[in-house]
Amino acid sequence: ETGVTQTPRHLVMGMTNKKSLKCEQHLGHNAMYWYKQSAKKPLELMFVYNFKEQTENNSVPSRFSPECPNSSHLFLHLHTLQPEDSALYLCASSQQKGRVLAGGPITYNEQFFGPGTRLTVL
Amino acid sequence: DQQVKQNSPSLSVQEGRISILNCDYTNSMFDYFLWYKKYPAEGPTFLISISSIKDKNEDGRFTVFLNKSAKHLSLHIVPSQPGDSAVYFCAARYGGATNKLIFGTGTLLAVQP
Repeated sequence: ETGVTQTPRHLVMGMTNKKSLKCEQHLGHNAMYWYKQSAKKPLELMFVYNFKEQTENNSVPSRFSPECPNSSHLFLHLHTLQPEDSALYLCASSQQKGRVLAGGPITYNEQFFGPGTRLTVL
Repeated sequence: DQQVKQNSPSLSVQEGRISILNCDYTNSMFDYFLWYKKYPAEGPTFLISISSIKDKNEDGRFTVFLNKSAKHLSLHIVPSQPGDSAVYFCAARYGGATNKLIFGTGTLLAVQP
């Protein structure tokens, strides 16, 4: 496997179900991301993990629970979702490059995306 | 309020001609801009980027132009090929210690043979 993989590719679930989305990156990156893409809307960042630590939670409802057990794997646990949560969920990874100048901003390479999981909540 | 806007939802171009995709942004704190390309049933793939300290970056058939005073960037593809037909997303990154990207809604490019 190369790049960023996501499973399952398609998921249909009821509002009372609990399911998990899985992402795995084979690029040796140290940062991973969850995005949501709803119909006719831009990609929205949900969560960011750097070196397995969550560094960003973009006001995501608690029915979405991320988990990053190591720098290669990222999960999104889903429970009691609503029909409006139906969307394409994309995982991405990138390599944090470190500070080019002392005290300067941390730079990153571009983000590499997986193929996404198409989620339908009934 | 959308900080990154792609006002053309679609664009149709003849093979061999130039494709110009546009993107406008509102936040002057963005320090890095990227273009991604997306085929159906696949995730977005990185195409080309530009730092806010530059006004042009070229990679083969793809050139990105940045006009900071107008808060506008554009992607030029020349010559356009049928395989370029895809959705193109513009993205902008906040400066500082974050790698948070803000995406536009995308432009569907159709290159006609």
